[in-house]
Amino acid sequence: GAGVSQSPSNKVTEKGKDVELRCDPISGHTALYWYRQSLGQGLEFLIYFQGNSAPDKSGLPSDRFSAERTGGSVSTLTIQRTQQEDSAVYLCASSPEGSPGQDNSPLHFGNGTRLTVT
Amino acid sequence: DAKTTQPPSMDCAEGRAANLPCNHSTISGNEYVYWYRQIHSQGPQYIIHGLKNNETNEMASLIITEDRKSSTLILPHATLRDTAVYYCIVRVDYNTNAGKSTFGDGTTLTVKP
Repeated sequence: GAGVSQSPSNKVTEKGKDVELRCDPISGHTALYWYRQSLGQGLEFLIYFQGNSAPDKSGLPSDRFSAERTGGSVSTLTIQRTQQEDSAVYLCASSPEGSPGQDNSPLHFGNGTRLTVT
Repeated sequence: DAKTTQPPSMDCAEGRAANLPCNHSTISGNEYVYWYRQIHSQGPQYIIHGLKNNETNEMASLIITEDRKSSTLILPHATLRDTAVYYCIVRVDYNTNAGKSTFGDGTTLTVKP
C-alpha cells in the first residue's frame, strides 16, 4: 500500500509569507508526528496527534507554527510570517500505535518537504 | 523519553559486519529501543526494535545489554547502500505518555569498498 505522502516536496518562499505543508498518513494510522530537520542535524520533534486526543504541541518552536489534523487523517503544518531560520526539511510520520496490539509500532516517515525561506 | 548517545561517525569495509553502539543509560522499564536509518534526501526508515531480548530480522540484529543501558545494531554484511545516518531512539509506551520520540544526531556510517 501507499506510504506517508508529503506535499510539496520542495517549497521556496519569501520571508514574511505564510506556508502550508501537507501530510497524508498511511490509512488507518492513528498517530501522526511532525518533525523538523535542519541541514546536517538530527530530527526535532514538533507536534504529535493521537486519535481524538488533544495534540501534544510541546515541540512547536513559536506561536508562528500550528498544525491541524482533520478527520483523523490528513494533517497540515502552517508556518506564519516565515523567517530564514525556518528553512529546513519538515518530516511527517505516522504509526498505528494506539490501536489494539500496536503499542510499540514503528514510525513510518514520508520523504519530507524541503522549505527554503529567502 | 530517555536520551541516547551515539558516536558521530563510523567507517566499515564492504562485506564486513558493521556494529553501531548506542548508550541509553536512563532508559525506563517500559521504553523500547528503536533503530532507524536515513539515506540522503529521504525520510528515516525503520530497521528494528526491541525491549529486552535480542532481535533479528532481514535487515539487522539488535543486541541489548542485560541492564538495558546500551545496545548495538549489527549489519552482518555491510554494502555500499548501507551508507546512511543511523538513529537510535527510545520510545515510551503510548499508554504512559504522548509517545513522542526524540532523535539525536545519529551515527553517520560510511561503507567503503
